[in-house]
Amino acid sequence: AQSVTQPDIHITVSEGASLELRCNYSYGATPYLFWYVQSPGQGLQLLLKYFSGDTLVQGIKGFEAEFKRSQSSFNLRKPSVHWSDAAEYFCAVVRNYGGSQGNLIFGKGTKLSVKP
Amino acid sequence: DTGVSQNPRHKITKRGQNVTFRCDPISEHNRLYWYRQTLGQGPEFLTYFQNEAQLEKSRLLSDRFSAERPKGSFSTLEIQRTEQGDSAMYLCASSLGGGREEFEQYFGPGTRLTVT
Repeated sequence: AQSVTQPDIHITVSEGASLELRCNYSYGATPYLFWYVQSPGQGLQLLLKYFSGDTLVQGIKGFEAEFKRSQSSFNLRKPSVHWSDAAEYFCAVVRNYGGSQGNLIFGKGTKLSVKP
Repeated sequence: DTGVSQNPRHKITKRGQNVTFRCDPISEHNRLYWYRQTLGQGPEFLTYFQNEAQLEKSRLLSDRFSAERPKGSFSTLEIQRTEQGDSAMYLCASSLGGGREEFEQYFGPGTRLTVT
């Protein structure tokens, strides 16, 4: 069965430091991948997506992610974190097997805390 | 584009009562999804509509749950005889059918249900 793993439950970084959040997926073919961000008590905001083509994708708020097929990974990065980036981040893959209508499978999320 | 809206934002109910949530998708989006998110977890798929047709249901959607999208616009999710295990955030998402955009889902703020 398809799955998404986010190995880090909680990460703390200092403001201005770089950030990398890890995501691994299991799926044989080329997956459709997403990163979402969720602030406390809120819905999810789409940060970026990967369908095909260039493996480095740019998103909103200065985030980028790199698709690496050999590692089954889609890690999220930001060169300089701002205090407002503190939130929970979810990686997701489109479910893709017979009968599926494209619903998303999410990882358990990584909570990001930012130290001043 | 006013985004996906959900009402109510919070609902507290007693065990055994029925509750109904409403989702208004982005106006031109013909696909609508419901997800459930419990504490410390990523969202889990419940059901999906294309226009007014409910095309997919998760095994998570017990017979106490029913969803409708009568005119292909807003959708309702009803839970009958609520149980404490139903306490969660219920998220609605919509997407524009056709091409890869159908996989790009935009989420509402969610309805947080507490069953006492």
